[in-house]
Amino acid sequence: AQSVTQLDSQVPVFEEAPVELRCNYSSSVSVYLFWYVQYPNQGLQLLLKYLSGSTLVKGINGFEAEFNKSQTSFHLRKPSVHISDTAEYFCAVSFIGGSYIPTFGRGTSLIVHP
Amino acid sequence: EAGVAQSPRYKIIEKRQSVAFWCNPISGHATLYWYQQILGQGPKLLIQFQNNGVVDDSQLPKDRFSAERLKGVDSTLKIQPAKLEDSAVYLCASSLGGTELYEQYFGPGTRLTVT
Repeated sequence: AQSVTQLDSQVPVFEEAPVELRCNYSSSVSVYLFWYVQYPNQGLQLLLKYLSGSTLVKGINGFEAEFNKSQTSFHLRKPSVHISDTAEYFCAVSFIGGSYIPTFGRGTSLIVHP
Repeated sequence: EAGVAQSPRYKIIEKRQSVAFWCNPISGHATLYWYQQILGQGPKLLIQFQNNGVVDDSQLPKDRFSAERLKGVDSTLKIQPAKLEDSAVYLCASSLGGTELYEQYFGPGTRLTVT
């Protein structure tokens, strides 16, 4: 079965600390991978995507993610977070050869403390 | 470039009442999606349109939910009658379609509260 798992429902960190938000998927086919951010009372905004090529993907707002095919993971990282990064982060997977419509994880709430 | 527009932003209704949401996608985007996002969960696809035709509505509770995309541009999602469990944020998204189906742009959503 094809699925997306975000292991952490909530990740609290202090400002300027590094952070990693985890995402794992299960699939028998190749995938496209995405991270979206959702600020309070707003829609989802694409942070970054992996379609092919380099497994290290850089996105907006200083975020990056690494595709690890052997571990079926696509973890999101930022070396130094700001208060303004407080938001909900969603990992999404598009299964190639299927409908291509992304399946979303449950989300991880990043809470940055001063 | 204008983004995906949705209205209203918030709606509070009593159970068994009806409600409608409106979405205007990005100009030129052939594919339009409606998602339901329940608190604490990721978005769940309700229906996908390609131009004015339905591509996938397998997750749409058709006994109470309906959607249309007349003229292949803006779209309306309706719930009649509403239940308490319909309380959620309803997100509209659009994409160019074709090989760009995965490149979705989301609107701000409509937060529905059913009391």
